[in-house]
Formats: sequence, C-alpha cells, structure tokens
Amino acid sequence: DIVMTQTPLSSPVALGQPASISCRSSQSLVHNDGNTNLTWLHQRPGQAPRLLIYKISHRSSGVPDRFTGSGAGTDFTLKISRVEAEDVGVYYCMQTSQFPYTFGQGTKLEIK
Amino acid sequence: QVQLQESGPGLMKPSEILSLTCGVSGDSISGSHWWSWVRQSPEKGLEWIGEVYHSGKTNYNPSLKSRVTISVDKSNNEVSLRLTSVTAADTAMYYCVRDSLNTGHDYWGRGTLVTVSS
Repeated sequence: DIVMTQTPLSSPVALGQPASISCRSSQSLVHNDGNTNLTWLHQRPGQAPRLLIYKISHRSSGVPDRFTGSGAGTDFTLKISRVEAEDVGVYYCMQTSQFPYTFGQGTKLEIK
Repeated sequence: QVQLQESGPGLMKPSEILSLTCGVSGDSISGSHWWSWVRQSPEKGLEWIGEVYHSGKTNYNPSLKSRVTISVDKSNNEVSLRLTSVTAADTAMYYCVRDSLNTGHDYWGRGTLVTVSS
C-alpha cells in the first residue's frame, strides 16, 4: 500500500496568516494515464470530510481561491494564503492512483 | 444537488453481519461515477473500504476483501455495503462517497456510526 505522510500533525495559525501542509507519498502518484491523483480533504468538527482539491491543484466547486494545491511525484503541498475562522478542522491528503486508496493521518489546523 | 444518506444498525454484536445502505438523490447510480465506502475511526483514521460501478464491477481494499461486498440497487438508486464477522475493530463512522472520474471523491454522505460491542 502507498503510505501517505503529512506534516505537521498540528498547526496553530493566527487569523489572516498563511498556513502550509505537506504530504509525502511512499511511491510516485503518477498514474498510467498520466494523471496524478492527489486529493485534499477538509473535515470540520462533527462533519464529514469534504473535497477541497483534486488532481494536485484543481479546486472543487465553491472552494475559495485562498486554497492552493501544488506538487508532483511524491511531494505535495496545500497552502492557505490567509486563514479564516471557518478553515479550522483536520486536513487530509488522499491518493487514488493505486489500489487500495490511502489517506494521510491528518493535520489539525487551529486558530492561535 | 447530489445527496448521499447512509443508514445502518448502529449497535452490533461481534460475529454479526453488518449491512449498510446509501440512498443517492440528485444523481443516478447508473451514471459515470464509482460509489465508494470509506470508514473512519480514532484508531485507524480514514480507511478506504472499496467501490462499485453501476455495471457491478468492484474494487476492494485487500485488508477487508475476504469479508466485504459492495453492490448497487439500480431500481432504488442505492449502494450497499455488507461486512461479515464484525469485531470491535470494525467500530467506525461509515461514509458513502461518490467518486467522479473527473473530480474525484466529490460528494460525501454525513456518515453512519457503527459500534460493535458484546
């Protein structure tokens, strides 16, 4: 199985400040079809995860442009340009390039 | 608006068979999407269980493959999960998720909590 490793596991950030989360995969996520299937999810307390970004950098419908995904191969980053109160929760990376699909352990974003 | 609604037994005893249903509204099960089950527990985090296409084709997590069956009911626009011989390790929140070919896991149900306890 592909192991997804996120850092940091916890990130206290002041409102209006930037935040960055790293995700590293144990194998390249480049699929045979040329796509790199790296997804970012956000889970608020008591809610289901929701899709933020797919295929490294494509924002899902309704996701603010302060969220940016980047990376290639095995190293990926989610950046929030200016953290807002609604951004608290846990962020997960997920790979869907190889079965079984696997998730990172999550990064908890909290307001400092 | 696509909505997924999971339903299940809530509390179960070890060795029983878990059966969950996911009702889909706002989209057809027979469209060009896969339908996944994902579970979440404090011990294991998020774990992908498997997925099904409307043709009946499935892909399963090898760690659960011997115990799991995922199927579709086109007449009721539902997806089902069956997990045999449950233990306390299967205690988790179970989510039904739409996996779009173009936009990934884009719609998640609210989840249903399953607790396995004697």
